[in-house]
This record gives sequence, structure tokens and C-alpha cells, in this order.
Amino acid sequence: GESVGLHLPTLSVQEGDNSIINCAYSNSASDYFIWYKQESGKGPQFIIDIRSNMDKRQGQRVTVLLNKTVKHLSLQIAATQPGDSAVYFCAENSGGSNYKLTFGKGTLLTVNP
Amino acid sequence: GAGVSQSPSNKVTEKGKDVELRCDPISGHTALYWYRQSLGQGLEFLIYFQGNSAPDKSGLPSDRFSAERTGGSVSTLTIQRTQQEDSAVYLCASSQYGVGYNEQFFGPGTRLTVL
Repeated sequence: GESVGLHLPTLSVQEGDNSIINCAYSNSASDYFIWYKQESGKGPQFIIDIRSNMDKRQGQRVTVLLNKTVKHLSLQIAATQPGDSAVYFCAENSGGSNYKLTFGKGTLLTVNP
Repeated sequence: GAGVSQSPSNKVTEKGKDVELRCDPISGHTALYWYRQSLGQGLEFLIYFQGNSAPDKSGLPSDRFSAERTGGSVSTLTIQRTQQEDSAVYLCASSQYGVGYNEQFFGPGTRLTVL
């Protein structure tokens, strides 16, 4: 909810611009990565995922890039819309787990009309 | 179809009281997870159920926290003798079981406030 937004990294963009949200993950043994979107008062919603044998994966208006060398993940949102305003979390399957996720702290994206 | 549901949506309690939080997973999902989301933080893993068994309870913060699952469906997270630091949003997720990772679907959460 609204309290999750406090103390978070924030990104403010204009409607129609492209957004890039970055994430550093912690465990080099993790081999599956997910981006979640969380709107105020709701649970996280799956956006896109990528496995460690890939460097890039594209969805509808979203692209995820994975750099295993520096343990970095990014989410690119094309033509950002006001409905994209939310907190975005990256998650990794902790050390290769088939069930346990480790989440980053999240980034608050605000899209200005 | 119906998603993961949680109840209550909000719970305000006094320090020292016990609380029970409920999760109804997606029908047919054998795996169920509890997470905690504190102010300005990401989600913190608490416990994982496969059917009615909990092979991983490693995230439960203390012995005041417990969870059970019955009939391979509904789960209850119980916090005894609540403390102010227990205030957070408690999220439940469920997934199908299979080889490798399966997408977790989240409920809306229960916001717990301990006064």
C-alpha cells in the first residue's frame, strides 16, 4: 500500500517516455528471475521472467535484461502509461531454489500525465 | 477464475494479543507461501507448504509465529503475543507443483497493525 512507497528508490517519468528500473541480485547461484508490479493495496503481480541461460527477454511493452557477470537485472517499460505507476520488485529464486524467492526492496515508479 | 484470497484485509490488535491470518489459495495449487512486507522493504519469505507439510519454515522470525495448512487448501498464520515490530503486510501466494520453478500468484495481503 501507500506505506510501502516510503524510503524506496523512486523514478518519475513523463507519460510516453521509456522507463528503466534496475536491480542488483545477491546470489550467483540463482538461475531464475522475475519482475513483479505492486499497486497500492494489492499483492505483487507477475510481469515478466527470465532464466539465467538468457540475456534478454521481451514481452508486451516490457523487456528484461540480465547481466550475470555483475549480477544485474533491469526492466524496461516502453511508452510508459499512468497505469504503470506502482512499486516494481525484482526477485530471484534463492540460490536456484524451485520455490523460494528473494525479493529486492523495490522501486516506486510514478508516471506523470 | 478466483485468485488467492486473504482475510481479514486489515487487522488492528493490541500488543500481547494473538492473531490469526487466513489464506485461501487458488484451487488445485499444491504449494502455498507466506511472506511479510514491512515498511519500505521487499517481501520477506516466512514459510512454504507443499500439501499440508511445511518443508521450509526457515523464515519464521520467532517461535511466536506458526502456520498450518489443512486439506491441502486453506492456511492459517498465527502470531502469538504480538509485538509492535510484527506490524506489516502479510502476503500469501500459491503455485502449482512441478519440476522446476512455478509462478507464484499473490493474494492482496492482510495489513496487521499492533498498537
